[in-house]
This record gives sequence, C-alpha cells and structure tokens, in this order.
Amino acid sequence: ETGVTQSPTHLIKTRGQQVTLRCSSQSGHNTVSWYQQALGQGPQFIFQYYREEENGRGNFPPRFSGLQFPNYSSELNVNALELDDSALYLCASSLEVSEGAGKTQYFGPGTRLLVL
Amino acid sequence: DQQVKQNSPSLSVQEGRISILNCDYTNSMFDYFLWYKKYPAEGPTFLISISSIKDKNEDGRFTVFLNKSAKHLSLHIVPSQPGDSAVYFCAAKRESAGNNRKLIWGLGTSLAVNP
Repeated sequence: ETGVTQSPTHLIKTRGQQVTLRCSSQSGHNTVSWYQQALGQGPQFIFQYYREEENGRGNFPPRFSGLQFPNYSSELNVNALELDDSALYLCASSLEVSEGAGKTQYFGPGTRLLVL
Repeated sequence: DQQVKQNSPSLSVQEGRISILNCDYTNSMFDYFLWYKKYPAEGPTFLISISSIKDKNEDGRFTVFLNKSAKHLSLHIVPSQPGDSAVYFCAAKRESAGNNRKLIWGLGTSLAVNP
C-alpha cells in the first residue's frame, strides 16, 4: 500500500505566473482534499474532489482550481499567483467522501511554494 | 476569525512527564474534534479524535478530554517521549451538518520533549 505523494516538493514562481501541483492518492482512495498552510498557520481547506467532481470548497478565489483523474490522482492549479500564495500545499486522500475530513484521511508531505 | 484556537505556540516538557496541549473553540456547532501530529517535512498524521457526545477518549499514551460547556479540549500525553516532539494541531468539524469535509484547524503547538 503506497502512501500519498506530492510533487514537486519545492517550487519558486514569480507573481502573476501559474502553477500546477500534483498529488497521488493512497491506493484505493477516491477522495482527495487540498489544504493551504501558510507559515505559522494551520491548514486551510481549499476544496475536495470525489470521483472526479468537486465536492466542496473553502474560501478561496476561483483562480484556485483543481482536477481529479480517473485513477484518483489530483492537481491543484493556481493562476495569477500572488505573494500571499506562498505556503505549504497539502493534499490528503481518504477512502470515501464520508471520511473526507476525519481520522482515515492521509496527508502527503506537501509542496512548498514560494512566490517572489 | 480563528474558530479553533491553540494559544500556546510552544511547550517544553521532560521525558517521562505529562504533556498537556490545549485547544479552545468558538463555534458551538462543532461536534467532532481531532488532533494531528506533524513532523517537519511530513504531512499531518491523525492522532486521536473525540465526538461531542463524549468527554474523554483514550488511546494508549494519548487521552483527549472535551469540556463542551467551556468549549475547550485538551490532549494529554503520558508519559512523554522524545519521539513525541512535533507540532500538534487541533481541528474541528460539523459532522452532523453533513459538512464533514471541511476541517477547521488551529495554529498548532510545537511540543519539545527533552531527554
């Protein structure tokens, strides 16, 4: 059983650029959630995908978008990057949407994004 | 508006002693609470949880206490071990509302257990 993996581990972009972050869910998991964790803060829920459909969204603007693929891997896309987008982006997968925010949610190590 | 508050950014305890991490919340609609542990360069890992219908849940060295009237919960680690040194996050959700996908997190408390 493989864990949740994310790529890249680190990324540097400039303001206004676009970025795509990737997440491979734990084997058999069909639900993925994305979180933003700014320095010194707790994770903030961005959105969740369940079987390739968005299934809930936090207070993030539309320039944050996502995709989930048939193999349940996922992407987070951020357009028109701003300095405040600098953060650790965490992906978490779970077996079913009902467990999408609970004890059977497994987190990846995150992608650290720096926007200059 | 921080709905889940961990007012102590850091805590230092001696190995073998008790570690007590505190968490307060403002939203009385929260009905499920979780604690996560996070090591550097790793994602958070689930530690222990408690439903609002209970006031205590125990799992080995870890016990979570919930005081609903005070909107306060605490995580006790007994005995503390150096490997427990990590950042601990408290998180809450409104499971009964069906909004179980959205966890609200605190800012975390960095625990250092000294040998």
